[in-house]
Amino acid sequence: EPEVTQTPSHQVTQMGQEVILRCVPISNHLYFYWYRQILGQKVEFLVSFYNNEISEKSEIFDDQFSVERPDGSNFTLKIRSTKLEDSAMYFCASTPPGVYEQYFGPGTRLTVT
Amino acid sequence: AQRVTQPEKLLSVFKGAPVELKCNYSYSGSPELFWYVQYSRQRLQLLLRHISRESIKGFTADLNKGETSFHLKKPFAQEEDSAMYYCALRATGNQFYFGTGTSLTVIP
Repeated sequence: EPEVTQTPSHQVTQMGQEVILRCVPISNHLYFYWYRQILGQKVEFLVSFYNNEISEKSEIFDDQFSVERPDGSNFTLKIRSTKLEDSAMYFCASTPPGVYEQYFGPGTRLTVT
Repeated sequence: AQRVTQPEKLLSVFKGAPVELKCNYSYSGSPELFWYVQYSRQRLQLLLRHISRESIKGFTADLNKGETSFHLKKPFAQEEDSAMYYCALRATGNQFYFGTGTSLTVIP
């Protein structure tokens, strides 16, 4: 069964560095999402993406964040200048056409030191 | 503001006992609600959604608009039900709000 994949599984970066988290959604899915989960806290919506543009974004998704679908298969989340508080698990998800059932990736643990 | 509340962080029940995981929501529009489950060392996956009114793995959830609740129930808990459960709300557009999750432990 096809699955959403994410790389890397764990990323350690220094404060102020740029980081790119990668996701490969399921191939026939149309909507793509990024979420984050700070340790011990809830899963928080960051952004949804459809037809090559952002369809919704939360207050968390400020100018430090950007998303891209550079090549028709990858879906990336970039954090321009990481802060300590960006340390979290980042989940990618995608949904097939016509339904809102989200298929989640395994997550990338981002640690900012 | 849209909110999803799961009041219990931890819930333990004995095998064979009924289980209810609570979820309350706050949303001014017409809600679409989901339950997601995360088993140990696995990814988040959809358990059920209110619009399909289905029973998955013996779990059911009914949307109660008067009480703004979407509690997850199972009459007889099994050990394999031990997991983290998240209630989620889809707001208009395509934005989702998750609760803080309830960790369910089924004691053999």
